Amino acid sequence: KAGVTQTPRYLIKTRGQQVTLSCSPISGHRSVSWYQQTPGQGLQFLFEYFSETQRNKGNFPGRFSGRQFSNSRSEMNVSTLELGDSALYLCASSFEGFEAFFGQGTRLTVV
Amino acid sequence: KQEVTQIPAALSVPEGENLVLNCSFTDSAIYNLQWFRQDPGKGLTSLLLIQSSQREQTSGRLNASLDKSSGRSTLYIAASQPGDSATYLCAVLNAGGTSYGKLTFGQGTILTVHP
Repeated sequence: KAGVTQTPRYLIKTRGQQVTLSCSPISGHRSVSWYQQTPGQGLQFLFEYFSETQRNKGNFPGRFSGRQFSNSRSEMNVSTLELGDSALYLCASSFEGFEAFFGQGTRLTVV
Repeated sequence: KQEVTQIPAALSVPEGENLVLNCSFTDSAIYNLQWFRQDPGKGLTSLLLIQSSQREQTSGRLNASLDKSSGRSTLYIAASQPGDSATYLCAVLNAGGTSYGKLTFGQGTILTVHP
């Protein structure tokens, strides 16, 4: 079956702009989580959605937001981009909290 | 607050060696523990999942054990190959409603297997 799909794979944005990243989970998975990965901080949890509801949120500023649609696809948005937002953003889907499957990530570069 | 530590941070071994990667966590109230592999610039590939009630899981040359009471897990790789070179990450999912979908990761072990 198809895995987790993230689009786009690469993005270059300018400081102050906003960006939207997309994640399509494995068919049948209703839980989608987002993570930020940087060399200094490692993998950090952003938020989790289940059946269109945000159930959990990490310690990130309000510039980071997300949503989930009825087909379980999820988007995350970062507004007013800062240089420090440059990172690999990873999405994971799971079936009711069991094994998590990750996408290939979106590499965001802020210049 | 859950904290996950992986030792060693880096490991370089000749092909064919058996090796052990270590993971420790501070809060034993976990739902499951997962080992991942990450190649440079890529996403995470799930290797093994151990539920909190299990003691070990095996997949091919990989074996992972879990000692929840002591807060430890080990990943054993038998007969290592150059293709095993990658970063290995350990992650735990805490039990409880406040931990929905939130994996806590270690910093990873960078493994290099040379021919």
